[in-house]
Amino acid sequence: GENVEQHPSTLSVQEGDSAVIKCTYSDSASNYFPWYKQELGKRPQLIIDIRSNVGEKKDQRIAVTLNKTAKHFSLHITETQPEDSAVYFCAARVYPGNEKLTFGTGTRLTIIP
Amino acid sequence: NAGVTQTPKFQVLKTGQSMTLQCAQDMNHEYMSWYRQDPGMGLRLIHYSVGAGITDQGEVPNGYNVSRSTTEDFPLRLLSAAPSQTSVYFCASSYSPGGNEQFFGPGTRLTVL
Repeated sequence: GENVEQHPSTLSVQEGDSAVIKCTYSDSASNYFPWYKQELGKRPQLIIDIRSNVGEKKDQRIAVTLNKTAKHFSLHITETQPEDSAVYFCAARVYPGNEKLTFGTGTRLTIIP
Repeated sequence: NAGVTQTPKFQVLKTGQSMTLQCAQDMNHEYMSWYRQDPGMGLRLIHYSVGAGITDQGEVPNGYNVSRSTTEDFPLRLLSAAPSQTSVYFCASSYSPGGNEQFFGPGTRLTVL
């Protein structure tokens, strides 16, 4: 089955700087890669996703890049703000044909004021 | 719309007791799933359903049962609780299995003594 590795497990960034979280996946057939943000005590919420026919996707201060050859994808947050402090999860799945979404182990991002 | 709801929010069980975690959604979503979240291990899929009457196992199904008699409800049953089942449980739903945002419920924090 699919295996998703996520690094780093913790990340501290000065407010205003950029943060990058990286994930690798094992199943070359995976073609959908979402990122979820989970604030303390809250539920995970989708912040951005990318499909394998696209190399990069942006939404304001966040962006995701995908390298299918190397089987890795990354989340980039620019101009970080205190409200970006949370745990971020990457995930991967094969669509169609596999309903299972496999998550990474999470990155705890702390923004230092 | 209430979205995805879960009850109870908190539960304490003794080893060997059984209980059912409730999950309901009012978005007419076909796909529903149960995850458990443990520190440092991300979100792991327990069971999922692609429609009423259809369920399948995820990554960590042992000790749990599910059924899907209606589109709206997807209860998770713990047959004989064990301390290893102490975790936070999230239910999620999406319009279809593939490449669509999964909406998570607020979670149930379960402690097994």
